Amino acid sequence: GQQLNQSPQSMFIQEGEDVSMNCTSSSIFNTWLWYKQEPGEGPVLLIALYKAGELTSNGRLTAQFGITRKDSFLNISASIPSDVGIYFCAGQPMYSGGGADGLTFGKGTHLIIQP
Amino acid sequence: GAGVSQSPSNKVTEKGKDVELRCDPISGHTALYWYRQRLGQGLEFLIYFQGNSAPDKSGLPSDRFSAERTGESVSTLTIQRTQQEDSAVYLCASSFTGVADTQYFGPGTRLTVL
Repeated sequence: GQQLNQSPQSMFIQEGEDVSMNCTSSSIFNTWLWYKQEPGEGPVLLIALYKAGELTSNGRLTAQFGITRKDSFLNISASIPSDVGIYFCAGQPMYSGGGADGLTFGKGTHLIIQP
Repeated sequence: GAGVSQSPSNKVTEKGKDVELRCDPISGHTALYWYRQRLGQGLEFLIYFQGNSAPDKSGLPSDRFSAERTGESVSTLTIQRTQQEDSAVYLCASSFTGVADTQYFGPGTRLTVL
């Protein structure tokens, strides 16, 4: 299947700092999604991106669909303790054939916030 | 219900036993997905149901894994003759239409094979 490289694997930051994480792929993607997963829960969709160059905000979160269609980033501004969790990128490659196996997930960025 | 529900939340079993995991999707969602999440890893696609179409089983790792869905409702994932490497969280998701639609995830079933 497709591979998504998500970085960093983990982040230890101070409360109030801004956070940035990204995903890259060797393939062109139609859709980029960002999810957050808290312990004992399933992933929850944060932001969905559907067009190259698209920049979308959801509160303190901002995500962009890279112009090359091969990358996306997620920024969190002024982090707070409840931002702790694992953030996953996911994408639908352009040439996946439309099958469900085309939705590929990154390995996640584990965000830890020190008060 | 308000969201996707899964049961049990935790399952501990002995190697070689069969297990059955259950998923109740959001009412009205035609598409249902099963994923596996190993510790510290991302989600690994297993199987996809869309309406009354034949399921996409391309992600099932071996013939010990199978899944069924009754119409557009409950799905069960069965793992036969469990192995220790099957230990993982098994997540179910549903979406209103197909793969292009937003998937909503359940809380998962944590399977531990001793």
